[in-house]
Amino acid sequence: DAKTTQPPSMDCAEGRAANLPCNHSTISGNEYVYWYRQIHSQGPQYIIHGLKNNETNEMASLIITEDRKSSTLILPHATLRDTAVYYCIVKEIQGAQKLVFGQGTRLTINP
Amino acid sequence: GAVVSQHPSRVICKSGTSVKIECRSLDFQATTMFWYRQFPKKSLMLMATSNEGSKATYEQGVEKDKFLINHASLTLSTLTVTSAHPEDSSFYICSARLAWETQYFGPGTRLLVL
Repeated sequence: DAKTTQPPSMDCAEGRAANLPCNHSTISGNEYVYWYRQIHSQGPQYIIHGLKNNETNEMASLIITEDRKSSTLILPHATLRDTAVYYCIVKEIQGAQKLVFGQGTRLTINP
Repeated sequence: GAVVSQHPSRVICKSGTSVKIECRSLDFQATTMFWYRQFPKKSLMLMATSNEGSKATYEQGVEKDKFLINHASLTLSTLTVTSAHPEDSSFYICSARLAWETQYFGPGTRLLVL
């Protein structure tokens, strides 16, 4: 079972920042937070991951709360091509844990 | 990010035939590959995990004799759906990673069994 909780859907206006929340209250000390997205009829695309510090790359920023029980993925200037299902997953970076996908958040970017 | 390819992208076959799907890591060596399936409007479900040169480990409820997985090299894994039936119609997605690094996904293969 997925260890994360995400809202089933969200809307955001094109050009605005999209903030996608994720709760992972049972996360353990050696588990990372990973974000992937899946555009319709494609394979999932890796976005970003982090342990406890905030992370930023060319796609997004990841903000993890100090207690690590929740995080927010930020797409700073959303475009129509960012419409997708976004998955938040917690997983150990080593070991036998697998990427287990929950239902994710369906993000719709509106013109 | 790393690139994973799948072939074919879509396939239509008759009931009772077998279908082979290839998954390749193009710019890295994949010590571990994964196979997922996804039904319409549903999330991805992990079917099996394979390490290069070893037998695949199947998730509970996945028939290993029906879904044959071969991870023969560090860049290639194949999934063969044997004696396919209409209920096997689905979107099959492979994924690959090097050691404990980030897992990357292929574009998926849409299988339709008539």
